[in-house]
Amino acid sequence: SYELTQPPSVSVSPGQTATITCSGDALPKQYGFWYQQKPGQAPVMVIYKDTKRPSGIPERFSGSSSGTTVTLTINGVQAEDEADYYCQSSDRSDTLVLFGGGTKLTVL
Amino acid sequence: QVQLVQSGAAVKRPGASVMVSCKTSGYTFTGFYIHWVRQAPGQGLDWMGRVNPDTGGTNYAQTFQGRVTMTRDTSITTAYMELNMLTSDDTAVYYCARGEISSNFDFWGPGTPVTVSS
Repeated sequence: SYELTQPPSVSVSPGQTATITCSGDALPKQYGFWYQQKPGQAPVMVIYKDTKRPSGIPERFSGSSSGTTVTLTINGVQAEDEADYYCQSSDRSDTLVLFGGGTKLTVL
Repeated sequence: QVQLVQSGAAVKRPGASVMVSCKTSGYTFTGFYIHWVRQAPGQGLDWMGRVNPDTGGTNYAQTFQGRVTMTRDTSITTAYMELNMLTSDDTAVYYCARGEISSNFDFWGPGTPVTVSS
């Protein structure tokens, strides 16, 4: 079955750059989306269609795509960015919705 | 502004059913899909399925086929998710989210905690 694979955890110091990857066989054909979830809250979309940032999301959040991997980059990480991050995409037929397992970003 | 407001927390016995509602406002209800996503305690996001508010058409994740029903009432711009034959494994927070057919979940409800316990 088709899966999206993320690292379970990433740790960075404040001001550094955090990079979270997401791999999946259908990603060359389908867009990747990224959601931030803080404890006790609903997810919030931070990147859509691989590279686009919704209004209200800080410019330090960016996305990229290459082959079977999409990447979320947070430049100049702040303490408030500590959260779980989930990538999301769909299968090749655009029928099934898939989420990665999530990456816990820890700001040291 | 776009809002999705969900029904309150529920406690159910094993074998029972639960229905969660998702009242929407601030946009054209029939213009976007409503997806349901659940999150078990300490776990990740699990897509359950979607309803097309325009046609009523549904698609369910294989995990929930035969046990879940998603409907909508266009007159009150509300979507519903009913899950049957509950077990303790169904204890989770259930979210509704507005989106396109398989992505772009730009607005989410606050979540509805469902606890299944004897």
